[in-house]
Amino acid sequence: GAVVSQHPSWVICKSGTSVKIECRSLDFQATTMFWYRQFPKQSLMLMATSNEGSKATYEQGVEKDKFLINHASLTLSTLTVTSAHPEDSSFYICSAGRTGGAVGTQYFGPGTRLLVL
Amino acid sequence: ELKVEQNPLFLSMQEGKNYTIYCNYSTTSDRLYWYRQDPGKSLESLFVLLSNGAVKQEGRLMASLDTKARLSTLHITAAVHDLSATYFCAVGNYGGSQGNLIFGKGTKLSVKP
Repeated sequence: GAVVSQHPSWVICKSGTSVKIECRSLDFQATTMFWYRQFPKQSLMLMATSNEGSKATYEQGVEKDKFLINHASLTLSTLTVTSAHPEDSSFYICSAGRTGGAVGTQYFGPGTRLLVL
Repeated sequence: ELKVEQNPLFLSMQEGKNYTIYCNYSTTSDRLYWYRQDPGKSLESLFVLLSNGAVKQEGRLMASLDTKARLSTLHITAAVHDLSATYFCAVGNYGGSQGNLIFGKGTKLSVKP
């Protein structure tokens, strides 16, 4: 149990285009989902926390107009990178906290590798 | 502000040897996590430590938590090549409700025959 999927697993796009990444909890409901970014050989940095039905909370330094997060249901959150640029190339990982589950435990998705040309 | 420091950042060890990875954090937290990441992959949960003195073991890995010292250790016993990966500790940055995790920089472990 507690499986999180991400789609796509990798994407290459041209500079200036927008890319949408989906994060789904497959076998549980997730009131809260988290979006992380990981640059090569670095740690995970939290970008934002999204709660179902409300606006996401962004970490300092993360542009909310550039990284649009929507958490429309208890099993789906999406991250849209708008007007992507090469510096947005990174590994994006989502995680989900199970509704009613152990506080703080997060289940991680397999990640989405984004390359902006 | 919660900060998490891991050391060493790189660790090259021979098969059969023992070693310890350290994770220090700067402010009080009620839980600490250890994850493994293989190249190009996402995170695999290894341990969740919830209380002072907690010790958990799985195979050749053993994790412990000292909340008074704000220190967790991940001990590797008789390392094998399959343990080669990057190991992250993460500390919960909240109290009483689901919240975010602050990650250490990771320890890249390479086990050589």
